[in-house]
Amino acid sequence: GNSVTQMEGPVTLSEEAFLTINCTYTATGYPSLFWYVQYPGEGLQLLLKATKADDKGSNKGFEATYRKETTSFHLEKGSVQVSDSAVYFCALSYTGNQFYFGTGTSLTVIP
Amino acid sequence: NAGVTQTPKFQVLKTGQSMTLQCAQDMNHEYMSWYRQDPGMGLRLIHYSVGAGITDQGEVPNGYNVSRSTTEDFPLRLLSAAPSQTSVYFCASSTTMGGYTFGSGTRLTVV
Repeated sequence: GNSVTQMEGPVTLSEEAFLTINCTYTATGYPSLFWYVQYPGEGLQLLLKATKADDKGSNKGFEATYRKETTSFHLEKGSVQVSDSAVYFCALSYTGNQFYFGTGTSLTVIP
Repeated sequence: NAGVTQTPKFQVLKTGQSMTLQCAQDMNHEYMSWYRQDPGMGLRLIHYSVGAGITDQGEVPNGYNVSRSTTEDFPLRLLSAAPSQTSVYFCASSTTMGGYTFGSGTRLTVV
């Protein structure tokens, strides 16, 4: 089947620290991979995506590389800010109309 | 450009009542979906649609109905509300592999 597993949270970091949120997936084919971010009281927003193996998605200083050999799509940022505090969701999709989401990882950045 | 609009934002229902959650998008997206978000479970797909007149079940469809008479609208109906349907509901729309645009959510409590 298809599923996404994210690292357990919550994650608390100091401002300017390096961030990694692990995401691994199980897939029956070759999906596209996504990271979404949810700020308090809001819906999810697309952060970045990668459509094939070895692609790197990037946005707002966040990066993730589609690793087929390790079935992973880890999210990284070199220097987090307080404004990055949110819940981050990893997801996969084949068709664009059905997504499989991880359970989310809560990030809190303290000044 | 409003994106995806959900109404209402908050709702309290009594067990057994019915109601419709509204969702409208103005981006001419062919795909629309409904998810529920519960603590520790991520987002789970309820129903989805690949175009006007076409709907299908997701992972957790029981107790919910949908219809898609126009490209823009995708209402979700709760037939007889139960406490297990207490959740935050998100509507989303997308194009093929474009990633979802989410609404801001409806927080539903069933007492």
